[in-house]
Amino acid sequence: EAGVAQSPRYKIIEKRQSVAFWCNPISGHATLYWYQQILGQGPKLLIQFQNNGVVDDSQLPKDRFSAERLKGVDSTLKIQPAKLEDSAVYLCASSLGTDEAFFGQGTRLTVV
Amino acid sequence: GDSVTQMEGPVTLSEEAFLTINCTYTATGYPSLFWYVQYPGEGLQLLLKATKADDKGSNKGFEATYRKETTSFHLEKGSVQVSDSAVYFCALYLWDTGRRALTFGSGTRLQVQP
Repeated sequence: EAGVAQSPRYKIIEKRQSVAFWCNPISGHATLYWYQQILGQGPKLLIQFQNNGVVDDSQLPKDRFSAERLKGVDSTLKIQPAKLEDSAVYLCASSLGTDEAFFGQGTRLTVV
Repeated sequence: GDSVTQMEGPVTLSEEAFLTINCTYTATGYPSLFWYVQYPGEGLQLLLKATKADDKGSNKGFEATYRKETTSFHLEKGSVQVSDSAVYFCALYLWDTGRRALTFGSGTRLQVQP
């Protein structure tokens, strides 16, 4: 069974630029999560989708971050404009709606 | 709010030593508890879980027991190997809230020396 796919693996941008990350969840998984993992910290939930609807985006900085999940499958997370403090690993995870989530390898973003 | 507290690392052990990584939680409901592991350059992998009080999760020689009275879920292994070197995250999941997502601790880095 294919796992959660994320791209790119690494991205370096200058502050105030924009960036987008892509996630393809495990086939059939209705629930999709985006987490932000700052170096030395645990992952923090940014947004949760159920199919193509948003369940929880209370911790998403909506002035600069946006996310969508068209057709209830793939998802993109965008940052515009990026700040230095956005440097982190962005993890995508998916689940069948149970308490077990499966994570992708993440995208490491460096903002300089 | 709901939260998870882990012991700070790094934890440095010699091969075949006994491992304990402490984890305590605060939750408004009755959570499922997890340990995830993150090897260098890889994503998070589920190591073990427990869903109710006194349950013991186990996998690859690691164990953790859900202790409701002490709100703890400490990770243990009797004899660590160099290949166990990784970052370990304790997490909780609450079924009885609108937000059904994992809440993670800050992680504990384990370094095992030969």
